[in-house]
Amino acid sequence: GENVEQHPSTLSVQEGDSAVIKCTYSDSASNYFPWYKQELGKRPQLIIDIRSNVGEKKDQRIAVTLNKTAKHFSLHITETQPEDSAVYFCAASMGGYSTLTFGKGTMLLVSP
Amino acid sequence: DGGITQSPKYLFRKEGQNVTLSCEQNLNHDAMYWYRQDPGQGLRLIYYSQIVNDFQKGDIAEGYSVSREKKESFPLTVTSAQKNPTAFYLCASSTDTYEQYFGPGTRLTVT
Repeated sequence: GENVEQHPSTLSVQEGDSAVIKCTYSDSASNYFPWYKQELGKRPQLIIDIRSNVGEKKDQRIAVTLNKTAKHFSLHITETQPEDSAVYFCAASMGGYSTLTFGKGTMLLVSP
Repeated sequence: DGGITQSPKYLFRKEGQNVTLSCEQNLNHDAMYWYRQDPGQGLRLIYYSQIVNDFQKGDIAEGYSVSREKKESFPLTVTSAQKNPTAFYLCASSTDTYEQYFGPGTRLTVT
């Protein structure tokens, strides 16, 4: 089955810095890669996703890049703010009703 | 917070008791999922269902059971056979547009 590795497990940055979280996946058939943000005690919420026919996608301060050859994808957050502090999860699936396989998460702490 | 609900938010049980967690959605989604979340472990799939009256085991199904008698409902029973049931349980649903929507979760504590 699919295996998703996520690094780093924790990331501390100063407000205004950029943050990068990286994930690798094992199944070359995977074609859908979402990123979820989970605040303490809350539900995970989708913040951005990318499909395999696209190499990069941006939404304001957030971007995701995908390298299908190397089987890795990354989340980039620019101009970080304290409210970006949360746990971020990457995931991979073959799309449609296929199940998501999640990474173990990255705790991002943005200090003022 | 509408769309997919879970109840209760907190649940306490004694060891050896079965307990059922509720998950309801009004999004008209065909697929529903149950995940378990432990610190540092990410989200692990317990069971999923793509249509009514059908469901499949996920990666950690042992000690759990589910039913899918209605499209809107996908309850999870944590049985006494689950060796370490204390965890945060998340339910999710999706259409065929890939995105999974999560409920608010149930925190189960078994002592």
